[in-house]
Amino acid sequence: AQKITQTQPGMFVQEKEAVTLDCTYDTSDPSYGLFWYKQPSSGEMIFLIYQGSYDQQNATEGRYSLNFQKARKSANLVISASQLGDSAMYFCAMTTQAAGNKLTFGGGTRVLVKP
Amino acid sequence: GAGVSQSPSNKVTEKGKDVELRCDPISGHTALYWYRQSLGQGLEFLIYFQGNSAPDKSGLPSDRFSAERTGGSVSTLTIQRTQQEDSAVYLCASSPQPGLLNTEAFFGQGTRLTVV
Repeated sequence: AQKITQTQPGMFVQEKEAVTLDCTYDTSDPSYGLFWYKQPSSGEMIFLIYQGSYDQQNATEGRYSLNFQKARKSANLVISASQLGDSAMYFCAMTTQAAGNKLTFGGGTRVLVKP
Repeated sequence: GAGVSQSPSNKVTEKGKDVELRCDPISGHTALYWYRQSLGQGLEFLIYFQGNSAPDKSGLPSDRFSAERTGGSVSTLTIQRTQQEDSAVYLCASSPQPGLLNTEAFFGQGTRLTVV
């Protein structure tokens, strides 16, 4: 079975500052993928970034980077230079080779960017 | 269309009634997924389609829930004899190929179902 844990239910961040959202995972499958999604108040889940278990380098997409620490089973999302539009729920999710058609989500972290 | 489209966006129904939720995936996407998002349970997987077949229905919570997909495109999630605990946001997603390793799932905006 696979499990995702997000320990921060909510956090404030000052505009233009960086914020780190924590995510730890658990799986016995050596082949897995980790995702971060953003869910604004409109409800749509917006894909942000992906990290594969065999990727040698941390994934980056614009202002988003994933701090992948395989030995610690953590996949923290770093948002640099926060903007007001970054206020949303953020979900960490994973899939595995064995359960490749299924995403398991963490409980989410609500981020509020303050001007 | 450009993205995954779900309808209706909001649905209020009386307890005991049947409801149908519709999902139009991104054109050409062979894989389609239904998830449920509720306050107490977070995001839960319901069912996965590859083409018109559903090889994984393991997340459907009871036999009141069913889903079908026709023409490898549109999918309908049906909830019979709705109960208050069915109130949730139902999210549909699609992806261009089977399996989600190295492939993102594109989500719709969801249908908010309220059972009164």
